[in-house]
Amino acid sequence: DVKVTQSSRYLVKRTGEKVFLECVQDMDHENMFWYRQDPGLGLRLIYFSYDVKMKEKGDIPEGYSVSREKKERFSLILESASTNQTSMYLCASRAGDEQFFGPGTRLTVL
Amino acid sequence: RKEVEQDPGPFNVPEGATVAFNCTYSNSASQSFFWYRQDCRKEPKLLMSVYSSGNEDGRFTAQLNRASQYISLLIRDSKLSDSATYLCVPTRGSYQKVTFGTGTKLQVIP
Repeated sequence: DVKVTQSSRYLVKRTGEKVFLECVQDMDHENMFWYRQDPGLGLRLIYFSYDVKMKEKGDIPEGYSVSREKKERFSLILESASTNQTSMYLCASRAGDEQFFGPGTRLTVL
Repeated sequence: RKEVEQDPGPFNVPEGATVAFNCTYSNSASQSFFWYRQDCRKEPKLLMSVYSSGNEDGRFTAQLNRASQYISLLIRDSKLSDSATYLCVPTRGSYQKVTFGTGTKLQVIP
């Protein structure tokens, strides 16, 4: 069974804080993705990576950065959190055509 | 024009009804197509792939119309457990970003 885990289910941070969201997959997948999901806007792609140290911008990369130092781990970084980054963050990894999602991190920025 | 467009719904249907959702995509380079299902407060999971010839999986039938750039999902004999949001996903290849539709919400009522 493919497993994608995310470091936290719920997170509360203050404006201006640096925030790290971690994602780990255990199936040696090359592709990994970070999305945010907001009511009425659906899943929006922030960044993706198709190999170690490789990263590509998605549709809404502003205010975010990523790190992929190891194949199994893909980190999303909010350098200076803002209230408009309050959202559900979903990580996914991909094998062939199917994407496998983690359970999500609900981030609240106060 | 959005890359993927879906009617957000909600579609409220009685148990046993047949319901159909459409999804249009704008990128003619899309190669593979999928429907994902997302239950309330859960992560999306792959429901089925969509082939040019159409495919069926039990009560679910998916169709692809490349000329008109839309895919459809038909659910027959709706069950209460089918209540979820259905996400349309066209993809372009292993090293390309993956864009999800905003989803169509289905509520099956007793």
